[in-house]
Amino acid sequence: DSGVTQTPKHLITATGQRVTLRCSPRSGDLSVYWYQQSLDQGLQFLIQYYNGEERAKGNILERFSAQQFPDLHSELNLSSLELGDSALYFCASSGGQGGYYGYTFGSGTRLTVV
Amino acid sequence: ILNVEQSPQSLHVQEGDSTNFTCSFPSSNFYALHWYRWETAKSPEALFVMTLNGDEKKKGRISATLNTKEGYSYLYIKGSQPEDSATYLCARVGNEKLTFGTGTRLTIIP
Repeated sequence: DSGVTQTPKHLITATGQRVTLRCSPRSGDLSVYWYQQSLDQGLQFLIQYYNGEERAKGNILERFSAQQFPDLHSELNLSSLELGDSALYFCASSGGQGGYYGYTFGSGTRLTVV
Repeated sequence: ILNVEQSPQSLHVQEGDSTNFTCSFPSSNFYALHWYRWETAKSPEALFVMTLNGDEKKKGRISATLNTKEGYSYLYIKGSQPEDSATYLCARVGNEKLTFGTGTRLTIIP
């Protein structure tokens, strides 16, 4: 157990639907990062939060949004789902915000859009 | 170099042999370089974070070096063991974003 908890582990949903992925960072970590891994692709950075505020944005679609709550857990909302959104979504956390600390990854949420 | 690139894409090494692979990255606006080990069906696990040019880090049989001026890092594994089989990812920190390479998939042949 890495200390980063992601739920659910698996999700199957239909096109056009909306889902919420949840992440609880490792105790004491203030930064949360979301990554997407599609088939045959590397980890693509989506978005970063630090202590409740958005810090950096990557290739995140407008249909996707995220937030970090006062208790530091984070949610990634994916709406109007398309087949191409099927992927493994990872959450990671770190103690700082500048990338000087290694990231601790959760076990991921595998999303299948049918 | 515009992106983080890793080579080779995959590698088969005999048990007991030593090996190394490369991570190349843009040298401008560099803050840090991460290495991760990613076993199948698990999540990536941090190996090293390096920030200074000339940095060398070691963890057991695995070590890494960093050249920030020319934009590359090497990961070395000495005396490979079956449990070293994994995908090794490097990632560059710039503008507060950690950008990953696509990894080197290492298979150790018993």
